[in-house]
Amino acid sequence: GAVVSQHPSWVICKSGTSVKIECRSLDFQATTMFWYRQFPKQSLMLMATSNEGSKATYEQGVEKDKFLINHASLTLSTLTVTSAHPEDSSFYICSATQGVSSDTQYFGPGTRLTVL
Amino acid sequence: LAKTTQPISMDSYEGQEVNITCSHNNIATNDYITWYQQFPSQGPRFIIQGYKTKVTNEVASLFIPADRKSSTLSLPRVSLSDTAVYYCLVGPGKMNTGGFKTIFGAGTRLFVKA
Repeated sequence: GAVVSQHPSWVICKSGTSVKIECRSLDFQATTMFWYRQFPKQSLMLMATSNEGSKATYEQGVEKDKFLINHASLTLSTLTVTSAHPEDSSFYICSATQGVSSDTQYFGPGTRLTVL
Repeated sequence: LAKTTQPISMDSYEGQEVNITCSHNNIATNDYITWYQQFPSQGPRFIIQGYKTKVTNEVASLFIPADRKSSTLSLPRVSLSDTAVYYCLVGPGKMNTGGFKTIFGAGTRLFVKA
């Protein structure tokens, strides 16, 4: 149980294009989903927190107009990197929680984005 | 949010028990302690979670002293496949706003040698 999937697992795009990454909770309803970014040999950096049906809360320094997050249902959240540039190349990971007090997060497998 | 401090790296040999300690001096009353394992180019994997005393599951044990200002993840008889980064997280529990977040520290890189 508690499986989170991400699609695509990797993507290569040209500079200036937009890329959408999907995060799905497969066997539970996720009241809250999180998006992280991870650069090589570094820890995960929280980008934003999203609750179903409401606007995402972005961490300081994360541009909300560049990283669009939509959490339209209890099982799906999407992250769109708009007008991607090479510096946006990174490993993007989502997680989901059922919202119980123990706040265990279940992570997706990650999406490797490479912007040429 | 409670800040966590872990050793940057640890080395071990196959078959040994490995103990990774995490300090979280400003842990709040409703915080839980959770450990995750991450392999390269994969999302973190939940290992174990606890609130106080000792928790054990099929892969690890978690020891939490009475003051809860630290915790120790114990991996019995490690193998080469346990080489990974281990993160200790202290979560604030469910906030009144209906959401909460977790901040990852640097983690501990465990190298298991043959």
